[in-house]
Amino acid sequence: GAVVSQHPSWVICKSGTSVKIECRSLDFQATTMFWYRQFPKQSLMLMATSNEGSKATYEQGVEKDKFLINHASLTLSTLTVTSAHPEDSSFYICSARDQRAENTGELFFGEGSRLTVL
Amino acid sequence: SQQGEEDPQALSIQEGENATMNCSYKTSINNLQWYRQNSGRGLVHLILIRSNEREKHSGRLRVTLDTSKKSSSLLITASRAADTASYFCATDQSDDYKLSFGAGTTVTVRA
Repeated sequence: GAVVSQHPSWVICKSGTSVKIECRSLDFQATTMFWYRQFPKQSLMLMATSNEGSKATYEQGVEKDKFLINHASLTLSTLTVTSAHPEDSSFYICSARDQRAENTGELFFGEGSRLTVL
Repeated sequence: SQQGEEDPQALSIQEGENATMNCSYKTSINNLQWYRQNSGRGLVHLILIRSNEREKHSGRLRVTLDTSKKSSSLLITASRAADTASYFCATDQSDDYKLSFGAGTTVTVRA
């Protein structure tokens, strides 16, 4: 099946710094990728939809200046948490839509990136 | 936004037993999907059922969908220790792949 790689898998940073998380589709092209946030023992909350070559669409309540998303190629989307604070500590997961599987509805998920802000 | 609720929140069963979990949702959907998440890992797609389908099988998994009740169930038969994980239902309202996830059911299979 299609593989989505996320990097880094975990990161610890100081408050006020920015952190970039990468999401790559390894064996397929993804015109659309999604970024989710998951708090411990909770569900996934959709943050934004990342479309290749255009601006990301953010869900209500998600600060676009805080969570910068760039989808510069068909295989890479990045999420940058700017000026991170302890409340941004969370598990961030990306998913990608495979163009070849347009009618299946299936999304392929990365392994997630755990961010801890001190 | 989250629209699914899952029941039970947690389930503990003996290896070999069946595990059943339910998902209810609020709005009309195009499809409903079930995913598995091992602790601290990403999600693995298990099965997708479309709004015009009532039941679907995949290996030891059986999914039902009742659109009149806005509910779905996932049955795992002959459970194994490796089935220990959290299971999430996710709904796609408009076939745009923007999934709304339920709260999840944590399943523990005892050896």
